[in-house]
Amino acid sequence: GENVEQHPSTLSVQEGDSAVIKCTYSDSASNYFPWYKQELGKGPQLIIDIRSNVGEKKDQRIAVTLNKTAKHFSLHITETQPEDSAVYFCAASTYAGKSTFGDGTTLTVKP
Amino acid sequence: NAGVTQTPKFQVLKTGQSMTLQCAQDMNHEYMSWYRQDPGMGLRLIHYSVGAGITDQGEVPNGYNVSRSTTEDFPLRLLSAAPSQTSVYFCASSYGGPETQYFGPGTRLLVL
Repeated sequence: GENVEQHPSTLSVQEGDSAVIKCTYSDSASNYFPWYKQELGKGPQLIIDIRSNVGEKKDQRIAVTLNKTAKHFSLHITETQPEDSAVYFCAASTYAGKSTFGDGTTLTVKP
Repeated sequence: NAGVTQTPKFQVLKTGQSMTLQCAQDMNHEYMSWYRQDPGMGLRLIHYSVGAGITDQGEVPNGYNVSRSTTEDFPLRLLSAAPSQTSVYFCASSYGGPETQYFGPGTRLLVL
């Protein structure tokens, strides 16, 4: 089955700096790669996603890149703000709709 | 739209008891899934459904049963609760795979 590894497990940055979270996946059949943000006591919420036919996608301060050959994808957050502090999860899924999640990254943005 | 709703929000069980975690969505999504989340770990798929009457096992199905009699509802049954099932349970739905999943607020379960 699919295996998704996510690094780092914790990340602390100063407000205004950039944050990068990386994930690798094992199943070449995976074709959809979402990123979720989970705030304390809440369910995960999608922040950005990318499909296997696209190399990069950007939405304001958030961007995701995908390297299919190397089987890795990354989340980039620029100009970080304290409200970006949360746990971030990457995931990989196939046409079957089964998603495999990484173990999460706890991002702390210090004011 | 209420989105994905889950009940109860919190439950305490004794070992050996059974219970059902409820999940409902009002977005007419075909796909629904149950995940468990343990401290320091990601979400692990328990069971999923691609439509009414169709269910399949995920990564950690043992000790859990599901059924999907309607598009809206996808209950998760714990047959005989064990302390190892102490976790936070999330239900999610999507139009189809692979697509964005919408998660419920979670059910926090403690098995003593």
